[in-house]
Amino acid sequence: QKEVEQNSGPLSVPEGAIASLNCTYSDRGSQSFFWYRQYSGKSPELIMSIYSNGDKEDGRFTAQLNKASQYVSLLIRDSQPSDSATYLCAARVSSGGSYIPTFGRGTSLIVHP
Amino acid sequence: DTGVSQNPRHKITKRGQNVTFRCDPISEHNRLYWYRQTLGQGPEFLTYFQNEAQLEKSRLLSDRFSAERPKGSFSTLEIQRTEQGDSAMYLCASGTSGSYEQYFGPGTRLTVT
Repeated sequence: QKEVEQNSGPLSVPEGAIASLNCTYSDRGSQSFFWYRQYSGKSPELIMSIYSNGDKEDGRFTAQLNKASQYVSLLIRDSQPSDSATYLCAARVSSGGSYIPTFGRGTSLIVHP
Repeated sequence: DTGVSQNPRHKITKRGQNVTFRCDPISEHNRLYWYRQTLGQGPEFLTYFQNEAQLEKSRLLSDRFSAERPKGSFSTLEIQRTEQGDSAMYLCASGTSGSYEQYFGPGTRLTVT
């Protein structure tokens, strides 16, 4: 089964530091990659999408995609306690001629004051 | 834009009963997705619609699950003969066919006793 893999964590960083979240995927044909944030007891909310190799920046967030290494990452600069949440990586994974959205299990991030 | 809404927010049912959930997507979105999420896991894809057409259904999905989107607006997800293993959060998301970004509703938490 084609998968999206994430370390479940928790990843603990001090306030103001850079948090680095990583994700790998097994299907080389995967397209369109996404990062979602999910607070405990809430539903996922979209942070960023990335479609091509390289970096994409949006405020304090930078997504990085390396298709050759099948690797996606999310950097959060100047981390705040309010960033403490589970971060979900998702990709469109090929399946029988079409693509289905596939999520990793998420990485728990804790930002401590 | 009121976002994606789901009803009910919570449902407790006895094993063997049928349940139906409703999702109302963001009005201009033509794609609608259903997911199931259990504790510590990422959302698991169930099915998705583009307008009223059901384009993909998870091969792992039991025949007890069925979904409809009769007029390309709201959607319903029905689970027949519920089992305790069906207890989970059922998430709906919507998006457009021009982008694969998804916006999630608050979810329906199902408990099967």
